[in-house]
Amino acid sequence: SQTIHQWPATLVQPVGSPLSLECTVEGTSNPNLYWYRQAAGRGLQLLFYSVGIGQISSEVPQNLSASRPQDRQFILSSKKLLLSDSGFYLCAWSGAGLGLQFFGPGTRLTVL
Amino acid sequence: GEDVEQSLFLSVREGDSSVINCTYTDSSSTYLYWYKQEPGAGLQLLTYIFSNMDMKQDQRLTVLLNKKDKHLSLRIADTQTGDSAIYFCAESIPGANNLFFGTGTRLTVIP
Repeated sequence: SQTIHQWPATLVQPVGSPLSLECTVEGTSNPNLYWYRQAAGRGLQLLFYSVGIGQISSEVPQNLSASRPQDRQFILSSKKLLLSDSGFYLCAWSGAGLGLQFFGPGTRLTVL
Repeated sequence: GEDVEQSLFLSVREGDSSVINCTYTDSSSTYLYWYKQEPGAGLQLLTYIFSNMDMKQDQRLTVLLNKKDKHLSLRIADTQTGDSAIYFCAESIPGANNLFFGTGTRLTVIP
């Protein structure tokens, strides 16, 4: 069966520090991968998606970036965090067909 | 992006039925989904419905789709305290790689 992992689970970082969040998927190959952000009390905002290694599409211009160095690995990064980057970051994957997306447990990021 | 709207809050008493509503704007939706998010957790796919269906039932969950009015609802029968969570509806549309999510409805079940 397929599983999706995210780490770390929680992170507290100072403004201006770098960021690296990791997401890995097991039990499937060539998945579509997604990064979403959920701000407090709000819905999900799609940040990036990837249909293959090295292929990244950005939905929102900001100081975040994403990379996909391996088929089942998706990384969200920033060189310098802003206060507004605080939120709950969710990784998701989908296969072909029904477009069902399956979510990881999320990372709670607090920027101070 | 596409506009998917939900009311923000719903409170029901334990044992009653809950109905969570969602409206969307894109009539070319292929599938519509309901996700559940418990506190501090990721989203769990509850159910989905193909756009040419009117209804889908899965145990305590009933999904109704009115494609003419672009209205989707999720009915939870015999609501339990464990059903307290945020419920998101989402749609997929042709040509888009991502799903479009509503803002979520926070369901509170009162014992």
